Amino acid sequence: DTGVSQDPRHKITKRGQNVTFRCDPISEHNRLYWYRQTLGQGPEFLTYFQNEAQLEKSRLLSDRFSAERPKGSFSTLEIQRTEQGDSAMYLCASSPLGLAGVKTQYFGPGTRLLVL
Amino acid sequence: AQSVTQPDIHITVSEGASLELRCNYSYGATPYLFWYVQSPGQGLQLLLKYFSGDTLVQGIKGFEAEFKRSQSSFNLRKPSVHWSDAAEYFCAVALNSGYSTLTFGKGTMLLVSP
Repeated sequence: DTGVSQDPRHKITKRGQNVTFRCDPISEHNRLYWYRQTLGQGPEFLTYFQNEAQLEKSRLLSDRFSAERPKGSFSTLEIQRTEQGDSAMYLCASSPLGLAGVKTQYFGPGTRLLVL
Repeated sequence: AQSVTQPDIHITVSEGASLELRCNYSYGATPYLFWYVQSPGQGLQLLLKYFSGDTLVQGIKGFEAEFKRSQSSFNLRKPSVHWSDAAEYFCAVALNSGYSTLTFGKGTMLLVSP
C-alpha cells in the first residue's frame, strides 16, 4: 500500500499526559502537512514540512505542540500536557513538490485523540 | 484571508435522486479548488479538483463539479445517488502561493434515504 499511514488510529489519554502521533507519507512526497479536525468542523491547518524543514506553523499550534520530520520521511506530532480541548482528529497529508504550483494533498486515515 | 462556505450542514436525498452540494469561496483571485469525502471515522478521500481549463471537472464515483467564476462557486453534483454515497463532503481551496495549505469549509453531511 502506498498511501499515507498514521499511527495510532485512536488514542485515549488523561489530561496532562504527553502523546505522540506518527505519520508516514507517500514515498517520494516532499511535502507533509498536519491538520486538526474537531467535531462538526472541517480540517484546520497546523503545520507544514518540505523535506525535513518545518516551513510554516499555524497560530493554532501552541507551545505545547511540536512536530518533527527528522529525515524528510516520516513525521511525528507531539502534544505535551494535553488538555481536553486537544480532543480532535489529527490528519496528516502529503503531496509531491513538483516544479511549481499547487499539488494535490493525499490524506491519511487520521488519529483520533480523546483527552479525559 | 480566503474562506470557504458550505451553506448546507445536512442534506437528505433519496437513493437514485440527483444531488448538488454547494460551495462558495472568498478570495480575490482564482484559487485551486477541491472536493473531498470523509466516511465516519476515516480520513479524507479526494473526489475531484479544479486547477484550470475546462470549468466542468469529472471525478471519481460519478461525481462532477462546475467552477463558476462569476459566482465564486464550485458546486458538486451527482446525477443518481447511491446509499454508499452517505458521508461528509468537504470543499477546500488552496492558493498558488506560499505552501499551498488547504482551507476547508465546515462540510455537508449527506444522508441517503431508501
